[in-house]
Amino acid sequence: NAGVTQTPKFQVLKTGQSMTLQCAQDMNHNSMYWYRQDPGMGLRLIYYSASEGTTDKGEVPNGYNVSRLNKREFSLRLESAAPSQTSVYFCASSEPGTRANYGYTFGSGTRLTVV
Amino acid sequence: GDSVTQMEGPVTLSEEAFLTINCTYTATGYPSLFWYVQYPGEGLQLLLKATKADDKGSNKGFEATYRKETTSFHLEKGSVQVSDSAVYFCALTLNTGNQFYFGTGTSLTVIP
Repeated sequence: NAGVTQTPKFQVLKTGQSMTLQCAQDMNHNSMYWYRQDPGMGLRLIYYSASEGTTDKGEVPNGYNVSRLNKREFSLRLESAAPSQTSVYFCASSEPGTRANYGYTFGSGTRLTVV
Repeated sequence: GDSVTQMEGPVTLSEEAFLTINCTYTATGYPSLFWYVQYPGEGLQLLLKATKADDKGSNKGFEATYRKETTSFHLEKGSVQVSDSAVYFCALTLNTGNQFYFGTGTSLTVIP
């Protein structure tokens, strides 16, 4: 089925470890996004890529880096994980010009725990 | 700035009860408004949307009307089911810019 695929689904890291969250979409969307979801805070934008070759910071970018590898893939990297980065991470995609009508398509999330 | 405020949860209802989840927004332009639903352990799914004032979005028995005069987009359902138990997010996006703005989410539990 067409959609957004995130890997891994679950991960436990020790403080200071690094990891990369992977995201791929097969809908030929130009724009991709990384959000984190925390209790009582809803979804907060970490980084986004409006199109292949571009990335921009969102509301909470500190401690993260991203790479738009190609049109399909958008990865999120934690260089030195901290307990404050314990969260559920969602990747999403959309097509500029249709976002207002069709919204985002979300992946199923990565639940990350940093101990 | 642009933002969405939705009612605090959690909300617990008996099956077949009437549901309202309030959502108000602040926007610098003319937003499109959305409700997303998140079932346990899953990502967010689009539930319904409205792209201009007075539009009514509807899906699976849920409805919401875009009210520009009150800057609101309240979610309603006449008779909830146990399968409606989920977290509901109100959101807006503008034709300018690149992102959605989400509310904090309202957890709904429907008991038999």
